[in-house]
Amino acid sequence: GQQVMQIPQYQHVQEGEDFTTYCNSSTTLSNIQWYKQRPGGHPVFLIQLVKSGEVKKQKRLTFQFGEAKKNSSLHITATQTTDVGTYFCAGGAGGTSYGKLTFGQGTILTVHP
Amino acid sequence: DTGVSQNPRHKITKRGQNVTFRCDPISEHNRLYWYRQTLGQGPEFLTYFQNEAQLEKSRLLSDRFSAERPKGSFSTLEIQRTEQGDSAMYLCASSLGQGFYNEQFFGPGTRLTVL
Repeated sequence: GQQVMQIPQYQHVQEGEDFTTYCNSSTTLSNIQWYKQRPGGHPVFLIQLVKSGEVKKQKRLTFQFGEAKKNSSLHITATQTTDVGTYFCAGGAGGTSYGKLTFGQGTILTVHP
Repeated sequence: DTGVSQNPRHKITKRGQNVTFRCDPISEHNRLYWYRQTLGQGPEFLTYFQNEAQLEKSRLLSDRFSAERPKGSFSTLEIQRTEQGDSAMYLCASSLGQGFYNEQFFGPGTRLTVL
């Protein structure tokens, strides 16, 4: 079955440093989504990427979808303490499994002030 | 509050007992999803509905798990003969399901502890 891997598992940064998490799928994806989960909270949708090579920006966050639609990355510029949490990528298989998302294991981001 | 709601928020049960969880999605959302999340892991897909139809069920899900969405609104997830390995956070999500766009809104979850 489809597997989605994320690295690194943990990332500790000083406030103001940049942060990047990478996501790789074992199969070609129809789309990829990114979610953020604060400690004790539930996943909150950040963005969905659909097109090969797509790049989207949200303020300090930049999301990329690989040309082969098998990998993705999330880059945060100049981290702030409010960025703390776990970032998950989730791959959509498409076809008859259109609604199914396969989540990566997440990257836990800690930001030291 | 117009978000996804789940009840109960916490459930402690003894091994072998049956438990049922309820999810109320955002009212206009036609898709509803169940996930299971354990500590340090991402949400694991269990099943999803479009309106009242259950379209996919994880192959990892044993026959002890069943889900329903009888009128295409709220959904229930039942676990029969619970085992200690069932202890986890059970998350429900819903989405509008418009074309290819599939933003999922998650509820707060039901934390199950099996003793």
